[in-house]
Formats: sequence, structure tokens, C-alpha cells
Amino acid sequence: AQTVTQSQPEMSVQEAETVTLSCTYDTSESDYYLFWYKQPPSRQMILVIRQEAYKQQNATENRFSVNFQKAAKSFSLKISDSQLGDAAMYFCAYRSKNNDMRFGAGTRLTVKP
Amino acid sequence: DTGVSQDPRHKITKRGQNVTFRCDPISEHNRLYWYRQTLGQGPEFLTYFQNEAQLEKSRLLSDRFSAERPKGSFSTLEIQRTEQGDSAMYLCASSLFSGTNEKLFFGSGTQLSVL
Repeated sequence: AQTVTQSQPEMSVQEAETVTLSCTYDTSESDYYLFWYKQPPSRQMILVIRQEAYKQQNATENRFSVNFQKAAKSFSLKISDSQLGDAAMYFCAYRSKNNDMRFGAGTRLTVKP
Repeated sequence: DTGVSQDPRHKITKRGQNVTFRCDPISEHNRLYWYRQTLGQGPEFLTYFQNEAQLEKSRLLSDRFSAERPKGSFSTLEIQRTEQGDSAMYLCASSLFSGTNEKLFFGSGTQLSVL
């Protein structure tokens, strides 16, 4: 079974600064997808960004970008120009081509004004 | 598009009682997932359906848990003889799976408290 590890239970960042959240995963497959989800206090999961493993180019969505290192099985999320609304739990997730999605334990991000 | 809807939002029950949750996915989404999440943890996969077929069940899903998606639209998750350890947020998600691309849309969850 695939496992997803987020080694940072909590992170904090000053408003307008940049923060990087770490994620590593374990898999023997070559074709898969990786995701970062945000879960605010409302508890609803919101997709932040998605990366296909076969793509070498790192995905970017506005202020959010990833550093995907396939050989190292690493998938970090960079949030630039952090905003107060970015404060939430962030979950890294893995999905193989036809299977279910597995989540890491999450990183709680605090944004300081 | 009204999003994924879950009912009820909160459920308080006594140990030993049965509870049933409902999930209405986004219309035309063929996949539907159930996850369980405890405070401070990531969602744990329970089971998922493609249309009306239940394709995979986690080992977390004991015999007391059963899920159905009879017509390939809404789904129900039933927990029989609830235990205090069942207290958690139960999340439903749906997607339009095409084999190469999938984006999950989550509901707001049902918070279960077993007293």
C-alpha cells in the first residue's frame, strides 16, 4: 500500500512571506497523481494543486507551486505571498492511476499578520 | 452544480445504536468515496464506488460498516452497534473518473459523536 508522510505537524509564516510544506511518499508505481488539499476550519477539503507523475514540469496555480522530485519521491508545496486566508490544514495526497486516494496526516499552517 | 452534499451535518448517538449517513455527489460523477477523519489526522480511506459497484473496501471497514450506492447516484454509509471509537468526521467525495484524470470534490462531512 502506498503511504504518504508529512513530517511537519505545524508550520507558521508571516503574512506576505513564502512557506514550503513537505511531503514524501512511498510507491513502486511509475504512473500516479499527487495532490495538495486545504482544509479550513469549516472542515471542507479544497483542492489546491495537482501533479501528474509523468509530467516533469512542476505544477503552478497562482501563488501555489510544487517541487516534484520523482526520484526522491518528494512533493513539496510552496505558498508565495502568504495571506491570512491561507491558514488551514494542508494535506498531501497520492493516487495511483486507477486506485483510491491516500492522504498524509496533514500540516497545520498558521499565518501571522 | 450544488457540490457534494452530506446529511446530517452532526449526529450524536448512544453506544450500541445504528446510524446512517447520506451523501449526494455532484450529478454525473461516477465515483464516490467515503473517508473517515479524526481530529488532527488526515482522511482515512474507507471505501469507494464506481457507479453502483463497490470497488474497494479498506480493512478499517469492519463488519459493522456497510455502504451502498444502489442507483449509482447517492450513497449511504451505515454503522451498526456504534462504539465510542467510531466518533469521527465522515467525509464523502465524488469525482468524474476518466482513467487519466480525476479531481475529487469533498462534502462538508458528517460529524459523529458516540456517547
